[in-house]
Amino acid sequence: SQTIHQWPATLVQPVGSPLSLECTVEGTSNPNLYWYRQAAGRGLQLLFYSVGIGQISSEVPQNLSASRPQDRQFILSSKKLLLSDSGFYLCAWTTGGILAGGTGELFFGEGSRLTVL
Amino acid sequence: GQNIDQPTEMTATEGAIVQINCTYQTSGFNGLFWYQQHAGEAPTFLSYNVLDGLEEKGRFSSFLSRSKGYSYLLLKELQMKDSASYLCAVRGPLSFENQAGTALIFGKGTTLSVSS
Repeated sequence: SQTIHQWPATLVQPVGSPLSLECTVEGTSNPNLYWYRQAAGRGLQLLFYSVGIGQISSEVPQNLSASRPQDRQFILSSKKLLLSDSGFYLCAWTTGGILAGGTGELFFGEGSRLTVL
Repeated sequence: GQNIDQPTEMTATEGAIVQINCTYQTSGFNGLFWYQQHAGEAPTFLSYNVLDGLEEKGRFSSFLSRSKGYSYLLLKELQMKDSASYLCAVRGPLSFENQAGTALIFGKGTTLSVSS
């Protein structure tokens, strides 16, 4: 069966410090991968998505970047955190898509709660 | 642009029925999803609608009207454990997905509180 893991689960970082959140998927190949952020009182905001190794797309200008060095690994990074980067970060995957005839439901990792002080 | 609206909060009692509405305006539609999210946890998938009508899954049902840009999630025989946030999400337009992805655009969620 497929599983998704992300870490760390919780972290507290000072403003200006770097960030690295990691997500891995097991039990599937060539997944579509996503990073979402959920700030307090706000909905899930899509930050990045990737349809393959080295392919990263983003619709939201921000202080963060993403990389996909391996097929089942997705990393969210920042060189210098801002207070506004605080939130609950969720990695998600799906297999196939419209072209593959799937429903496209997302499967989420456990989440990483980031507090920037 | 894309906009998904749902009520912020709802309350209900155990054993009752509750309907959570969702309206959407998106530049492309390729399916509507409902997720459940307990406090501090990741969302879990509940239902999927791509054609008009009602989809039933146990105590949960979801309805879609594409012409009205409207969906609802119906929860029957409410239990205390149903207290959670319920997220409505629409699959984004193909141009945003680069024709192969399945990015979902989420509403802000409805927090449901079930009391005894």
